[in-house]
Formats: sequence, structure tokens, C-alpha cells
Amino acid sequence: QVTLRESGPALVKPTQTLTLTCTFSGFSLSTSGMCVSWIRQPPGKALEWLARIDWDDDKYYSTSLKTRLTISKDTSKNQVVLTMTNMDPVDTATYYCARTLAAAGTDFDYWGQGTLVTVSS
Amino acid sequence: DIVMTQTPLSLSVTPGQPASISCKSSQSLLHSDGKTYLYWYLQKPGQSPQLLIYEVSNRFSGVPDRFSGSGSGTDFTLKISRVEAEDVGVYYCMQSIQLPPYTFGQGTKLEIK
Repeated sequence: QVTLRESGPALVKPTQTLTLTCTFSGFSLSTSGMCVSWIRQPPGKALEWLARIDWDDDKYYSTSLKTRLTISKDTSKNQVVLTMTNMDPVDTATYYCARTLAAAGTDFDYWGQGTLVTVSS
Repeated sequence: DIVMTQTPLSLSVTPGQPASISCKSSQSLLHSDGKTYLYWYLQKPGQSPQLLIYEVSNRFSGVPDRFSGSGSGTDFTLKISRVEAEDVGVYYCMQSIQLPPYTFGQGTKLEIK
């Protein structure tokens, strides 16, 4: 059974750095073709992809946010960590992590429940 | 970045009636490997998005067969043959031919009359 769960602070102040952790089970990020992405959704708005890390440690970032994002993995802990620097109120959103199984062609086949992050002083 | 445009942005459907959502991409989603990287997701109220359709027309595990996807190149359609109450939510199309970034459509909200 594949599960993902996001964790991190519910409230951050402007200019601070946000660190989110995705803890997953039911698959290994050392398996060829496995990838995990972060996606966010501001309240009442559409989905926005942020970053992806692959089984071979390849990393991809949103073109508009890449200077602020860092994604990493700890395969032994089944975790993927996203950091976003210089947080602003417009970054208020629910942040999701989701799996991609590249070999099957299924992008974002499983999602976490999401974690709401509010940016406010 | 590839822009995904959905129409309509909202629709209200009587249970048992069909529904159709269009998604157009600013570039062809046909890859040189022969696959077309167009996906459909449904976000039910208060829930995370869930994968419905991958690579244009393949239903994901557990997705009812009343959902179908079609299209090619830059024009795609999601059809629900007979809408049920549990189908309410926001539907998103997404492309993954060009990475980065993945890009989503604006979403189409489906309501029941």
C-alpha cells in the first residue's frame, strides 16, 4: 500500500525558510523509475508543480521558483525534503507530495493529504 | 513553459447525463517515443487530487469506466458518460512532455444540478 504524508510548520514568517518533509511507504526511492514531486495549491486556486527528485538523484525545479527551491532525499528514511527560501504571503498554500512511477507512465499516481502553510507576520 | 487551457471552467450536470471537458496545450504533447503525455486528475471537495487518466486515454487503477479520455497533439477531452453525485469536484489536465515544468490547466469545477 502506497502512502505519502507531508509534515512541516503550519505558519512561517515572511523572509523565513520553509522546510517540508514527505515521508512515504509502500515503495522505495532507490527503485529505478521512481520519483517524488512537490506540488502546491493556494487557497481556491489551481495546482502548481514545484520540484521533482528521481531515484538516480536527478532533480528538476519550477522555472519561476528554482532559485528558491532545494529538493533532497533520504532513501534510508523514505523521506523527501523540500526547502523554500525567502517565504512571502503569496506562498500561502497547501503543499502536496506525490509519486511518479516513470516506468508505468503514471505521473502523480499517489498523493499525500497535503499540509497547509500560511505565511504571515 | 507549456500552457494548458481548459474549457469550460465550470459546468453543472444532471445526474445520469454526460459531461465533457476540453483541454488544449500550447505545444504538441506527442513525444518522440510515441507517447502523448496528457493526464487528468479529479480533486474532490476537501481531498487531494487523484489520478484518473494517464497518457490521454488510460484509466488508472480503480477508475470507473464511465470516465474516458481522448485526443491528440494539442487537443484533448475528458468525458463522463453518466455523471454521478460522487463525480463532483475540480478536474485538472496536466502535461509532462516538457520537464521542467509540469503544467496544469486552471481546473474545471463540476457541480450536480
